[in-house]
Amino acid sequence: SYELTQPPSVSVSPGQTASITCSGDKLGDKYACWYQQKPGQSPVLVNYQDNERPSGIPERFSGSNSGNTATLTISGTQAMDEADYYCQAWDISTVVFGGGTKLTVL
Amino acid sequence: EVQLVQSGAEVKKPGESLRISCKGSGYSFTSYWISWVRQMPGKGLEWMGRIDPSDSYTNYSPSFQGHVTISADKSISTAYLQWSSLKASDTAMYYCATSFASGFALDYWGQGTLVTVSS
Repeated sequence: SYELTQPPSVSVSPGQTASITCSGDKLGDKYACWYQQKPGQSPVLVNYQDNERPSGIPERFSGSNSGNTATLTISGTQAMDEADYYCQAWDISTVVFGGGTKLTVL
Repeated sequence: EVQLVQSGAEVKKPGESLRISCKGSGYSFTSYWISWVRQMPGKGLEWMGRIDPSDSYTNYSPSFQGHVTISADKSISTAYLQWSSLKASDTAMYYCATSFASGFALDYWGQGTLVTVSS
């Protein structure tokens, strides 16, 4: 079965750029998307179709996807961005999630 | 406004059956697939399967095929997730979600239903 691999944790200082990666076989041939989940809340879509932002998502969230790696980039990271982030792709009519990355802003 | 409203928390014993629900509003319910996602305590998101409410066609993750049943009643804009015999390992938060305006991404989520299975 298809697998997506994320680093368990990423740390960033406020105002700096955070990059969260997601790796999968030929992931660049698929569309990747990203979700943010804060404690006790439902996931929120922050990026889809590699680099599209849903309405209401700040411009500091951007995505890219090429080769075997998709990346979510958060520019000018704020304390409110501290959360778990999950990548997701489709493989043969099946949704696949990455294991999640805990972003710490310190 | 697109909304998915899920049924409330459940506490069940092993071996019992359960059906939880997800009611859509603010959009054409039959036009968009509904997915179910599991999140075990302290763990990540796992896609369980999805249903096309227009004809109740389903497809499941291999990990959940045969363990749960996804159904829908389009007359009341509601999707369901059902177990015939719960296990302690089914204890988790369950979310429904739909892909309304973001291609195949899940852009609207329910608030989640916490299922606790304990003797």
